[in-house]
Amino acid sequence: NAGVMQNPRHLVRRRGQEARLRCSPMKGHSHVYWYRQLPEEGLKFMVYLQKENIIDESGMPKERFSAEFPKEGPSILRIQQVVRGDSAAYFCASSPPGTAPSEQFFGPGTRLTVL
Amino acid sequence: QKEVEQDPGPLSVPEGAIVSLNCTYSNSAFQYFMWYRQYSRKGPELLMYTYSSGNKEDGRFTAQVDKSSKYISLFIRDSQPSDSATYLCAMSDRGSTLGRLYFGRGTQLTVWP
Repeated sequence: NAGVMQNPRHLVRRRGQEARLRCSPMKGHSHVYWYRQLPEEGLKFMVYLQKENIIDESGMPKERFSAEFPKEGPSILRIQQVVRGDSAAYFCASSPPGTAPSEQFFGPGTRLTVL
Repeated sequence: QKEVEQDPGPLSVPEGAIVSLNCTYSNSAFQYFMWYRQYSRKGPELLMYTYSSGNKEDGRFTAQVDKSSKYISLFIRDSQPSDSATYLCAMSDRGSTLGRLYFGRGTQLTVWP
């Protein structure tokens, strides 16, 4: 049973470019969460999605960041016009339907470097 | 004041020692408490998950929650070099922020042989 998958594992972008991060939840999971981890800091919540719905985006910057979880395919976190401060590890987590939403299983992360 | 406080360490102990890791929090609405282990450049791995106050034991790991003091702990018995990692506490209130976890910044642990 494959775990949460994220790709790419490493992504390098120049300032002003777009970054697209993908997350495939565990089989049978319908809840997806994105977190950001800056150096020497814990994980910070960004957004919580279910299929075709954004449930909570209170942790996501209002500008340049967007997320989606379409009916088919992976969840996408999109960062437009990246800046150096966006350099971080971005983790996706998933949880199954019908259980306490706190049981989240994490992927290996995408490490974004902005030059 | 941060919602979840965790001493980042680093903590260094000899193999076989008992390790105690702790977090404090300010939000009395937190009901679910978790400990994750994160190896270098990997994703967090769920270790322990508890609801409300009390103890939970799983092998060499024991999680304790004291809601009256807003304090949670993770104990590792007979620590091994393979336990060397960063340990993150996390919590949730399941309220309006449905599904959102609040993390401490993590404690870096090294167990030397």
